[in-house]
Amino acid sequence: GAGVSQSPRYKVAKRGQDVALRCDPISGHVSLFWYQQALGQGPEFLTYFQNEAQLDKSGLPSDRFFAERPEGSVSTLKIQRTQQEDSAVYLCASSLEDRGTDTQYFGPGTRLTVL
Amino acid sequence: GQNIDQPTEMTATEGAIVQINCTYQTSGFNGLFWYQQHAGEAPTFLSYNVLDGLEEKGRFSSFLSRSKGYSYLLLKELQMKDSASYLCAVGGRGSTLGRLYFGRGTQLTVWP
Repeated sequence: GAGVSQSPRYKVAKRGQDVALRCDPISGHVSLFWYQQALGQGPEFLTYFQNEAQLDKSGLPSDRFFAERPEGSVSTLKIQRTQQEDSAVYLCASSLEDRGTDTQYFGPGTRLTVL
Repeated sequence: GQNIDQPTEMTATEGAIVQINCTYQTSGFNGLFWYQQHAGEAPTFLSYNVLDGLEEKGRFSSFLSRSKGYSYLLLKELQMKDSASYLCAVGGRGSTLGRLYFGRGTQLTVWP
């Protein structure tokens, strides 16, 4: 497809479960970003990849959050031992280059609900 | 730190003009972005300003004043489909290059 895709679109987890969220960026895009969007808020930065290198993970809220992009294309955000405060929409975005001024194109997000 | 402020809600009628303001205080600045987000959907890019002045793109225009830390998005000839959240975002630089810092969004409701 032409845009950023994410799966699953919706995920319900029991507290303490591990979850994995997938992002397929636009083909050929160098940079990939993960954001967390709580209800009624703007997206908050989590982490940033340039190809397979994770250049910035300072936005990850705890060591339960882990992201990878092993081949420089698809990325997975993993959350271990989920907590209720992890409930949010997780957005993935990609951009063509790594100049910082490039437009980021967002996927539809994964809505995570932790019970 | 980063502080980006925009009104929470606005309403307008079909065919009218609305201006959504955004003020920012950030430790670095690498341009200002506006995104539109319909409920349950992805944010979609509207505009990017890095220099002072007005950028016009069809019914949408965006203005930036770097010295004042101020931007606005102007929507003309409003349509019902323009009902959405409008997100103001500042691009980071230096150690935060690539990041976007978002405001909480302005929920615009367009009435017939």
